[in-house]
Amino acid sequence: KAGVTQTPRYLIKTRGQQVTLSCSPISGHRSVSWYQQTPGQGLQFLFEYFSETQRNKGNFPGRFSGRQFSNSRSEMNVSTLELGDSALYLCASSPDGGGYTFGSGTRLTVV
Amino acid sequence: AQSVTQLGSHVSVSEGALVLLRCNYSSSVPPYLFWYVQYPNQGLQLLLKYTTGATLVKGINGFEAEFKKSETSFHLTKPSAHMSDAAEYFCAVSPKLTGGGNKLTFGTGTQLKVEL
Repeated sequence: KAGVTQTPRYLIKTRGQQVTLSCSPISGHRSVSWYQQTPGQGLQFLFEYFSETQRNKGNFPGRFSGRQFSNSRSEMNVSTLELGDSALYLCASSPDGGGYTFGSGTRLTVV
Repeated sequence: AQSVTQLGSHVSVSEGALVLLRCNYSSSVPPYLFWYVQYPNQGLQLLLKYTTGATLVKGINGFEAEFKKSETSFHLTKPSAHMSDAAEYFCAVSPKLTGGGNKLTFGTGTQLKVEL
């Protein structure tokens, strides 16, 4: 059974640009969540999507957005990148809540 | 708001010794509780979770944790440490959301070092 796949694994962007990260959940999983991991702030919840609808949201500015497609694949977008957005972005999937299976993450570096 | 406190950002044990990683949570009602492990350059792997029922939860790789409501704790233990256990461990809580789903709040993590 394939795990959670995140692409790309590494990304370097310039301040002011925007970026889109992709997450393919485990087949059959309808819930996808996104987390940001930084040395300073640790692991923080961004948002959760379930059946193409945002079900829960963390405390991040509107520059951070996401969406989920009918096949449960999800994307998150960060616009107007700032240096502080450099982080490991983790995606996690679940059949519906409960324990999540995490992907290996996308490491974003903003220069 | 919920919060998680992990006592000890770094814990060092000898191979074969008991592993004890501490986690205390703050929540107005008992939440769902989780322990995750993260190896370098990897995502998080679920070790175990408590949602309801038996308060002693057994997980993968010989780990277990006990939910103690009176102490608001969910400490992680393993009787005998192995070199492969060296990693960072995160305790997390999630409220029982009316609309469903989870919104994990993580502790700051404990780096476990296993020495020969």
